[in-house]
Amino acid sequence: SQQGEEDPQALSIQEGENATMNCSYKTSINNLQWYRQNSGRGLVHLILIRSNEREKHSGRLRVTLDTSKKSSSLLITASRAADTASYFCCGGSNYKLTFGKGTLLTVNP
Amino acid sequence: EPEVTQTPSHQVTQMGQEVILRCVPISNHLYFYWYRQILGQKVEFLVSFYNNEISEKSEIFDDQFSVERPDGSNFTLKIRSTKLEDSAMYFCASSGGNQPQHFGDGTRLSIL
Repeated sequence: SQQGEEDPQALSIQEGENATMNCSYKTSINNLQWYRQNSGRGLVHLILIRSNEREKHSGRLRVTLDTSKKSSSLLITASRAADTASYFCCGGSNYKLTFGKGTLLTVNP
Repeated sequence: EPEVTQTPSHQVTQMGQEVILRCVPISNHLYFYWYRQILGQKVEFLVSFYNNEISEKSEIFDDQFSVERPDGSNFTLKIRSTKLEDSAMYFCASSGGNQPQHFGDGTRLSIL
């Protein structure tokens, strides 16, 4: 599996605003996944986008993938305080996830 | 929704002692994993397990570590002689083949 590099490292917004996080990776991938980790808790799988997909939606989440730029973005719309967490992208294999430092999102009420 | 459960939530152990961390993966999953996260650092892959054997392991997973699926429901991580640097959160995960992994809430291991 491949480590993604998330950007920015930290993001602070007000409740109701949208949050955009970016991910870059180095080599070709079959799919890219986004995970969330609430402080002190396990990781929760959010969404998987395959290399032949350009955009995918799940509830308030929208993920895009640009394989030519080796980048992905995660958009959370109408953010809530409960969205406060670290967000990670992982490229490649489902059998060995490699996590970067993530983006720490803080949603202020 | 089915969950991965881990016990205990917090384990305190003297350096040099053996410790066993327990996990109950989701019942129809076939692939099992352990990760660890030292405080303030990245989540790191330790080992993957399938068909009663290790599929892949990282450099961290040395001879002090072992994994076992002793019965049809549990998946354990054993550290034979703990060191101070083994203090971390240990996460178990499982998946049903080439599918996203589901994580437990972790066991916080504190070595004194």
